[in-house]
Amino acid sequence: DVKVTQSSRYLVKRTGEKVFLECVQDMDHENMFWYRQDPGLGLRLIYFSYDVKMKEKGDIPEGYSVSREKKERFSLILESASTNQTSMYLCASSTSGGGGYYGYTFGSGTRLTVV
Amino acid sequence: DQQVKQNSPSLSVQEGRISILNCDYTNSMFDYFLWYKKYPAEGPTFLISISSIKDKNEDGRFTVFLNKSAKHLSLHIVPSQPGDSAVYFCAASNFGNEKLTFGTGTRLTIIP
Repeated sequence: DVKVTQSSRYLVKRTGEKVFLECVQDMDHENMFWYRQDPGLGLRLIYFSYDVKMKEKGDIPEGYSVSREKKERFSLILESASTNQTSMYLCASSTSGGGGYYGYTFGSGTRLTVV
Repeated sequence: DQQVKQNSPSLSVQEGRISILNCDYTNSMFDYFLWYKKYPAEGPTFLISISSIKDKNEDGRFTVFLNKSAKHLSLHIVPSQPGDSAVYFCAASNFGNEKLTFGTGTRLTIIP
């Protein structure tokens, strides 16, 4: 069963901490994405990557960075966590040329609370 | 600028009846439209998609309709079942662009 695995389901961090969210996919997908989901705002794209070591900013990249050293792993980094980064974070992957029609495969999400 | 809009945050439907979820978009360059379903504490799962060259696509109980002139798509679920209770997101993309733009979601509740 193919999947996208996010390392933590729930995280609580303090303001100012550096936070790492990890995502691993086993489908040999080229593309990986990080979204956050907030009530009334839907899913908003933070960063995505279409190849190893490649990254592009999404719609809300401020306060975040990413790392993709291996094809299967895509990490989201909160450089200095703030309370407005409390959210559900969703990782997704897709095959090249397929994301637009066949969609993404999402992980189960990480609920991050910054206190 | 919200390019994909779901104007109904919630919808309640009796079990066995038809559920109709609506989505509007502003970017006429979108080539593909998708629907996702999300249960609490789980990631969204892909339901059905449609390309802009079609106006209808069916998969079992799920049918998506696309009206390009109105920039409107809808998801019909017939008959509605209790397991359909979830948040539904519509999404859109351009050919060759792997990014999906999502709507804000509609919470569907099926009443037994």
